[in-house]
Amino acid sequence: DAMVIQNPRYQVTQFGKPVTLSCSQTLNHNVMYWYQQKSSQAPKLLFHYYDKDFNNEADTPDNFQSRRPNTSFCFLDIRSPGLGDAAMYLCATSRELAGGSNEQFFGPGTRLTVL
Amino acid sequence: GEDVEQSLFLSVREGDSSVINCTYTDSSSTYLYWYKQEPGAGLQLLTYIFSNMDMKQDQRLTVLLNKKDKHLSLRIADTQTGDSAIYFCAEILGGGGNKLTFGTGTQLKVEL
Repeated sequence: DAMVIQNPRYQVTQFGKPVTLSCSQTLNHNVMYWYQQKSSQAPKLLFHYYDKDFNNEADTPDNFQSRRPNTSFCFLDIRSPGLGDAAMYLCATSRELAGGSNEQFFGPGTRLTVL
Repeated sequence: GEDVEQSLFLSVREGDSSVINCTYTDSSSTYLYWYKQEPGAGLQLLTYIFSNMDMKQDQRLTVLLNKKDKHLSLRIADTQTGDSAIYFCAEILGGGGNKLTFGTGTQLKVEL
């Protein structure tokens, strides 16, 4: 089945130790997104890739970076995690078509714990 | 600001209908979506509605859109315990782009 896969599902890191979360998709969608969702809050968009073009949200901290080496994979790098970065990180994909519904399909998320 | 608002909690009995409401802000939104999130999981797209529609029905789900009042609702008929989750409405802001703005989420609890 076509899907969005996130690894790992649970990640524990230490304060200040770089961490990478990964996302892959078999949907062949041209847009990939990273969201941060803190407890009892709505998901908040960090950035997205439209094909190879990177689009950062204005309020995304510099501590968060992303890479998209090919259509299928996208990575979220947190350079120096702080306690406030503990959250669920959701990857999503969509096929951007003019006039289309452009619905986003989400992976199961990676829950990040920072000790 | 761009706030999409929902009531925080809804409790219903199994077999009853649930109605989850959402007030959005951007009158130029082209599509509005409903997502379901179970504990510890990602978001599952339930349904969406195009802005030139008033209503969309999909099995037990009915979406109503009132553009004049910027009000969106999701009705779940014959609510089951498996429907217990958090429900988010979301809009894509006008002016193009891919940014989804989510509502605050409504936690639906289905009681026996």
